[in-house]
Amino acid sequence: AQTVTQSQPEMSVQEAETVTLSCTYDTSENNYYLFWYKQPPSRQMILVIRQEAYKQQNATENRFSVNFQKAAKSFSLKISDSQLGDTAMYFCAFMKHVNNYGQNFVFGPGTRLSVLP
Amino acid sequence: DSGVTQTPKHLITATGQRVTLRCSPRSGDLSVYWYQQSLDQGLQFLIQYYNGEERAKGNILERFSAQQFPDLHSELNLSSLELGDSALYFCASSRSWADGELFFGEGSRLTVL
Repeated sequence: AQTVTQSQPEMSVQEAETVTLSCTYDTSENNYYLFWYKQPPSRQMILVIRQEAYKQQNATENRFSVNFQKAAKSFSLKISDSQLGDTAMYFCAFMKHVNNYGQNFVFGPGTRLSVLP
Repeated sequence: DSGVTQTPKHLITATGQRVTLRCSPRSGDLSVYWYQQSLDQGLQFLIQYYNGEERAKGNILERFSAQQFPDLHSELNLSSLELGDSALYFCASSRSWADGELFFGEGSRLTVL
């Protein structure tokens, strides 16, 4: 079974600093997608960034970037120039196809990030 | 705003009762997913529909059922409710069944007393 592990339940960072959130996953599949979602206090789940496993280049979205290590099954998120609005719960997620006509996202337990002024 | 609409936003009911949660996907999205988020178990996948057909099933209890209608909205029915069913229920949608990107609604907070 696929699992997603986030070993840091809580983290904090000073405004304008850089922080890295860790994620590891376990799968026997070769083709899959990885995602980071954020859930601010408003509780809305918002996509931060996605990575296709077949792509070697790490995905980047403005201040957000990932370090994807396929062999190590590691998918960390780096937030640069942290802003107060980045305060949220961050979920790492793994997407797998099911029975060749469905898909399921498996989410990690989340990391609560606090950006301090 | 993700474009996914869930109603109701909050619901309080008693044990043994039945409730229905409703979800309207983003315009043009054919696939709908239901997730349960409780404090001790994180986000748990319940079920996926694509264009009216069930496509993937997670750890959905037999007391729970769902369907997707011809207009693509979906309903999640929860019956014989127990205290442990109290959770945030999210609906998400994607363009296709293998799109690789989910857009979430704001969730329905269910409290069972």
